[in-house]
Order: sequence, then C-alpha cells, then structure tokens
Amino acid sequence: KAGVTQTPRYLIKTRGQQVTLSCSPISGHRSVSWYQQTPGQGLQFLFEYFSETQRNKGNFPGRFSGRQFSNSRSEMNVSTLELGDSALYLCASSYTSSGSYNEQFFGPGTRLTVL
Amino acid sequence: AQSVAQPEDQVNVAEGNPLTVKCTYSVSGNPYLFWYVQYPNRGLQFLLKYITGDNLVKGSYGFEAEFNKSQTSFHLKKPSALVSDSALYFCAVRGSSGGYQKVTFGTGTKLQVIP
Repeated sequence: KAGVTQTPRYLIKTRGQQVTLSCSPISGHRSVSWYQQTPGQGLQFLFEYFSETQRNKGNFPGRFSGRQFSNSRSEMNVSTLELGDSALYLCASSYTSSGSYNEQFFGPGTRLTVL
Repeated sequence: AQSVAQPEDQVNVAEGNPLTVKCTYSVSGNPYLFWYVQYPNRGLQFLLKYITGDNLVKGSYGFEAEFNKSQTSFHLKKPSALVSDSALYFCAVRGSSGGYQKVTFGTGTKLQVIP
C-alpha cells in the first residue's frame, strides 16, 4: 500500500505570494491532518479534515486554509506569505476521524522557504 | 486545553545502555497517548500507542512505554540503545472525552546515541 504523498517536496516563495500544498492520503484513509513543524516549536496543528469536512482547526491566522476532496486528497493554501511561514508542512492521514485512537501516518513533508 | 511536555530537548546515551525519553501530559478524560520518531529528512513514523489496559506498551524497534496515570506520564524506554536509534522523538496525546479531539504533540526530544 502506498504511503502518504506530498507535493511539492520543496518550495521557495517570496513574501506576499501565496502557495498551495497537496497531500494524498493512504488509500482508504478518510482523515487528513496538517501540521507546521519548526525548530523549537515542534508540530503545530493546523487543521483536520474528514469526509470533506473540517473537523478541527488550530490557532493559525485566516491566511491558512485547507480543503479536502471527495477522493480524500487534501490541499492547504497559505496566502500573503510571511517570513515566519518558513517551515516543514506535514500531512498525516488516519483511517478514522478525531476522537479515535488510531495512529496517524505522515508524509515526508513540504519544505517551504519564504524569502 | 490539552498539552504535552517533553522536558528534555536532548538526551545523550551510550550505545548499549538503557534509554528513557520523558513525556508528561494534560488532557480531559482518558488519554490516548502516542510516540512517533522522526529520522533526518523524513516524516514521522508511529512507534507505539496507549489506549487502555496494560500500562506497559510495546512497540516497534524494541521500544516500550509506561503509562502512569497518577503522574500523568508516558515515558519512552528501550533496554539497550543502538546508534541507529538517534533521531527526534515526539510524544502526542488525544483526549477521549466527547467531540472531535485534535492530537497535540510535544516539542520533541533529540536522542543522541554515542558509539
């Protein structure tokens, strides 16, 4: 079974631009979560989608948004990029939604650099 | 609000010695607890989880973790460390009390196994 895939793997953008990251979960998984990873901050939860519905949202500004498609693939968008948005963005999929005890399976991440 | 604390940014241990990576948590209701490992330039990999039952949980690569409800701790352990265990370890918690509960991660502990 193929793992979680994320595209692109690396991105370089300039301040003020917007970016879209893509995530394809493991086949059969309907939950997709997004995290921002920075040194010293660990993983910060962005949002979770299950069956095309946002189930949970972290404490990020409205510039960060996401969506999930009927095939469970998910995208996240960051508008008006700031230098502080430079980070590794991780996508994780799970068989069930929030509140379950199932572990998450992570993709390799997208490394975003904002200049 | 739920939280996870990993009090040590880095743990150094000699190869062949036992290792412990500490984690404490705060959550409403009973916790679902997880350990993940991140090798350099790779996504997170699931190691083990505690849902209910036996307080000692065994996972991948010879790791185990002990759930202690009174101390709200879930320390990761291994009897004999390998150089290949050197990585970044994350503890995570998800509450089980009603509604859609997100997963909260600690800030991570870097494990360095010295040959």
